[in-house]
Amino acid sequence: AIRITQSPSSLSASTGDRVTITCRASQGISSYLAWYQQKPGKAPKLLIYAASTLQSGVPSRFSGSGSGTDFTLTISCLQSEDFATYYCQQYYSYPFTFGPGTKVDIK
Amino acid sequence: QLQLQESGPGLVKPSETLSLTCTVSGGSISSSSYYWGWIRQPPGKGLEWIGSIYYSGSTYYNPSLKSRVTISVDTSKNQFSLKLSSVTAADTAVYYCARHEGGPDAFDIWGQGTMVTVSS
Repeated sequence: AIRITQSPSSLSASTGDRVTITCRASQGISSYLAWYQQKPGKAPKLLIYAASTLQSGVPSRFSGSGSGTDFTLTISCLQSEDFATYYCQQYYSYPFTFGPGTKVDIK
Repeated sequence: QLQLQESGPGLVKPSETLSLTCTVSGGSISSSSYYWGWIRQPPGKGLEWIGSIYYSGSTYYNPSLKSRVTISVDTSKNQFSLKLSSVTAADTAVYYCARHEGGPDAFDIWGQGTMVTVSS
């Protein structure tokens, strides 16, 4: 199975900050990577697929980049509703695998 | 719009079989574009894909669970189901059903999740 790592595991930030989360795959996955946001007690929500394509309805302050093994999720101007845990997921091959998550909380 | 809803017992005894159903509303499970999957999340932990099924019955399973998992589909009821046998406390988790396009692709629509506790 393809292993996915994320860094950092957690970060503290303030509203208005620019935040970057990194995801790394154990082998090349082309652009078959998605990013999800999860708030406590809620299901994950798809933010970005194909590494950089914004899901319909997701604010443009979210962006994704990368291909191969290294990917980033950037939140350009953090809003209060963005405090959550973020997961990346590869769908290049079965079994699908997720990163361990990055918790973004208030500084 | 399309919605998914998990249902099933919230408490299962060790060594027994966990059974959950996901009901699809607002669209057909028989759509040729989509697979239907199960993902779980132990309390305070990350996400683990369990498996996915196509309306024809074709399945993909996570090798780590494959010996204990069966996913099936009932197109007449617009539902798909998960059975996980020989459960232990390690199977305690929130179980989500979700949709992804064939290809494969990301999970774009999720159910709200259902908590299943394994305990005697």
